[in-house]
Amino acid sequence: GNSVTQMEGPVTLSEEAFLTINCTYTATGYPSLFWYVQYPGEGLQLLLKATKADDKGSNKGFEATYRKETTSFHLEKGSVQVSDSAVYFCALWSASKIIFGSGTRLSIRP
Amino acid sequence: EAGVVQSPRYKIIEKKQPVAFWCNPISGHNTLYWYLQNLGQGPELLIRYENEEAVDDSQLPKDRFSAERLKGVDSTLKIQPAELGDSAVYLCASSLTQGSSGANVLTFGAGSRLTVL
Repeated sequence: GNSVTQMEGPVTLSEEAFLTINCTYTATGYPSLFWYVQYPGEGLQLLLKATKADDKGSNKGFEATYRKETTSFHLEKGSVQVSDSAVYFCALWSASKIIFGSGTRLSIRP
Repeated sequence: EAGVVQSPRYKIIEKKQPVAFWCNPISGHNTLYWYLQNLGQGPELLIRYENEEAVDDSQLPKDRFSAERLKGVDSTLKIQPAELGDSAVYLCASSLTQGSSGANVLTFGAGSRLTVL
């Protein structure tokens, strides 16, 4: 079945460092892809999405490009802030529901 | 506009006791989802409603779990009796589904954290 695999955490970086969180998917066809973020004590929030191959989703300085050749949707940010500390989930749309990866915890040191 | 509202936020119960969670989706959203999130894992779908109809409940453990969405708005998820392994966060989400236009954007509530002792 369709699934998402993302890099295990936790990931700890210093403020202003470059961030990459890897995500690959297995799916029939070309499903829409998402990154959701879960800040401490809050619900899941949509961070960005891409609906077809080569689309780039972006929001709050984060970017991810839908790569069908490598079945990947890696999350990147050029300069992270302490406020980016959260758990990040890669996900895909399949059979009228969202299928999530296991999440990557990100901690940013001041 | 209020988001997806869930209650209670936290619940601690003894095993074998019943528990219920309530969800109020975003006004106008016709699709409602209940997800289960175990510690350190991603959410997994339990049940999906289109209006008042449960259209996907294949992952709902029906021996102890039940859900309803009366009048196609609010929803409740019940566990009876609870087991130790049910300790998790129960997430509710809603979306507006229009025809077969592709992926929906789900809006999640803050979740209900259940601890079974």
